[in-house]
Amino acid sequence: SQKIEQNSEALNIQEGKTATLTCNYTNYSPAYLQWYRQDPGRGPVFLLLIRENEKEKRKERLKVTFDTTLKQSLFHITASQPADSATYLCALTGYSSASKIIFGSGTRLSIRP
Amino acid sequence: NAGVMQNPRHLVRRRGQEARLRCSPMKGHSHVYWYRQLPEEGLKFMVYLQKENIIDESGMPKERFSAEFPKEGPSILRIQQVVRGDSAAYFCASSPTGAGEEYIQYFGAGTRLSVL
Repeated sequence: SQKIEQNSEALNIQEGKTATLTCNYTNYSPAYLQWYRQDPGRGPVFLLLIRENEKEKRKERLKVTFDTTLKQSLFHITASQPADSATYLCALTGYSSASKIIFGSGTRLSIRP
Repeated sequence: NAGVMQNPRHLVRRRGQEARLRCSPMKGHSHVYWYRQLPEEGLKFMVYLQKENIIDESGMPKERFSAEFPKEGPSILRIQQVVRGDSAAYFCASSPTGAGEEYIQYFGAGTRLSVL
């Protein structure tokens, strides 16, 4: 069955450093991979989308890579700030317009001052 | 442009009662998705609807749960005869029509259901 795995442990990073989160998947050939941010008690918020024919996408301090051979995406936050502390969710979707999005369980990121 | 609106934000029900959760998608969005999230866990897909159609309900329990998205009005997730195991946060998301943009989902703030 389709499976998405994210960093199983919470990630604690010193402010100013680069945080790197991992998303691995099996038994799936996604057309798109997305990253969302979720704060406690709130709904997820879309951050970035990368297509299966794209290797890398950037948005301000965020960078996402997508390796369809390794079946892996890396999500980087450079110059991390305490305000970046949240849970980050990886999500995959297929080619069909009727495809649902499959979410990973998320990685909790804490940035300490 | 108002975001995805869910109500109520918190819902308390006793075992055996019915829970009715509402979701109004963003203006212009015709795709609605429902998810369930338990504490410290990820989002579990339940159902995907378009106006008056259920596209994918593979994540819905076979009994007691139903969803609809009528031509007019909000989408409704209905849980009959609730049990304690139904206690969770239920999130609704909507997405716009159109290729490329279709797969980005915009989430509501969720409804937290507590079953006593």
